[in-house]
Amino acid sequence: EDKVVQSPLSLVVHEGDTVTLNCSYEVTNFRSLLWYKQEKKAPTFLFMLTSSGIEKKSGRLSSILDKKELFSILNITATQTGDSAVYLCAVGNTGNQFYFGTGTSLTVIP
Amino acid sequence: DTEVTQTPKHLVMGMTNKKSLKCEQHMGHRAMYWYKQKAKKPPELMFVYSYEKLSINESVPSRFSPECPNSSLLNLHLHALQPEDSALYLCASSQAYNPYNEQFFGPGTRLTVL
Repeated sequence: EDKVVQSPLSLVVHEGDTVTLNCSYEVTNFRSLLWYKQEKKAPTFLFMLTSSGIEKKSGRLSSILDKKELFSILNITATQTGDSAVYLCAVGNTGNQFYFGTGTSLTVIP
Repeated sequence: DTEVTQTPKHLVMGMTNKKSLKCEQHMGHRAMYWYKQKAKKPPELMFVYSYEKLSINESVPSRFSPECPNSSLLNLHLHALQPEDSALYLCASSQAYNPYNEQFFGPGTRLTVL
């Protein structure tokens, strides 16, 4: 059965800390892995990864994919209270299906 | 215009009511999606329309009926719902229906079934 597992389920850090969120997957015919940030309601897109070893970066956020070990990490450096959210990982396959993980809830304390 | 809009924001309905959720995008996207999200759970895909044709119906109960009147609009008709159908209903769109296009999500409709 195809599945996406995220860890940790929740995380509480202080402002300025660096965090690493994990997403591992077992999805047949993998094509892409996407990270989303969900605050109050709508998830907003962060990154799409399709190739191993190529880091995607946007400001304090970065992400990388390892297709051999079947996981991705999302790093956030110098965390701010505005980073508090649920971070969702989704994996797409050749059948155009997207499998979402349960998310990591990040709380950044001032 | 790079947003997906959804109406209403909140909806409370009885089990015998009929209501509709609406979703609209003007980004020229050709794929539109309905997701259901329960508290502290990931979104679950319900329906996908690609070029206004239903591509996936993930064995969703028939009390949920999708409609895609044109490439910019997506409706979800609700009839005889159960209390366990209470959830956040998210609409999303993407350039095309494939795994290489990120989805843009609307703010959702918070549905409560009494």
